[in-house]
Amino acid sequence: RKEVEQDPGPFNVPEGATVAFNCTYSNSASQSFFWYRQDCRKEPKLLMSVYSSGNEDGRFTAQLNRASQYISLLIRDSKLSDSATYLCVVIHLTGGGNKLTFGTGTQLKVEL
Amino acid sequence: DTGVSQDPRHKITKRGQNVTFRCDPISEHNRLYWYRQTLGQGPEFLTYFQNEAQLEKSRLLSDRFSAERPKGSFSTLEIQRTEQGDSAMYLCASSLGTVGQPQHFGDGTRLSIL
Repeated sequence: RKEVEQDPGPFNVPEGATVAFNCTYSNSASQSFFWYRQDCRKEPKLLMSVYSSGNEDGRFTAQLNRASQYISLLIRDSKLSDSATYLCVVIHLTGGGNKLTFGTGTQLKVEL
Repeated sequence: DTGVSQDPRHKITKRGQNVTFRCDPISEHNRLYWYRQTLGQGPEFLTYFQNEAQLEKSRLLSDRFSAERPKGSFSTLEIQRTEQGDSAMYLCASSLGTVGQPQHFGDGTRLSIL
């Protein structure tokens, strides 16, 4: 089983739709969680951190469920510019420090 | 621009040659990471430095790969005797030293082995 699993998609949605991605992780000792966005042939860019209490940034809402070991990302009123791959990232401590593990990413395509 | 910078952006070389990539992290970040990413996959961790100390290496990092960060600032990743399977995007990231800090990525170096 992969440490971090995501549905690769693609998710094809019309502009204005609401779309949600989930990500599961296997290490219960994981401490920090993030969503990154990656455009084609570009580097990953931090989208938002994820907290148990949930956090919102404009049209984006992230949620962490530690009991079920998954995190989610909700995008409301999707825009064409939201088309990208969304990477789930989990951090846990190792003997040497932080280990950051990426999921394979979920591809989103927003269409007219 | 004070972000993470990587050089070169692209590298094309013949199988068997050695290549070296450079990464300059964000200046106040003491942690530096190297990742490899192939098409359709998320970045895979290769190695990590805290200041000049290399604290962790993935089993993906074969003997042909070596990374250094001699003065705790920029880092280099060298691949010796390149193979076609080494073709990938090599990403560098840096972060602050406190637990759970997000990492900020450079543009990456795209390596193509002929």
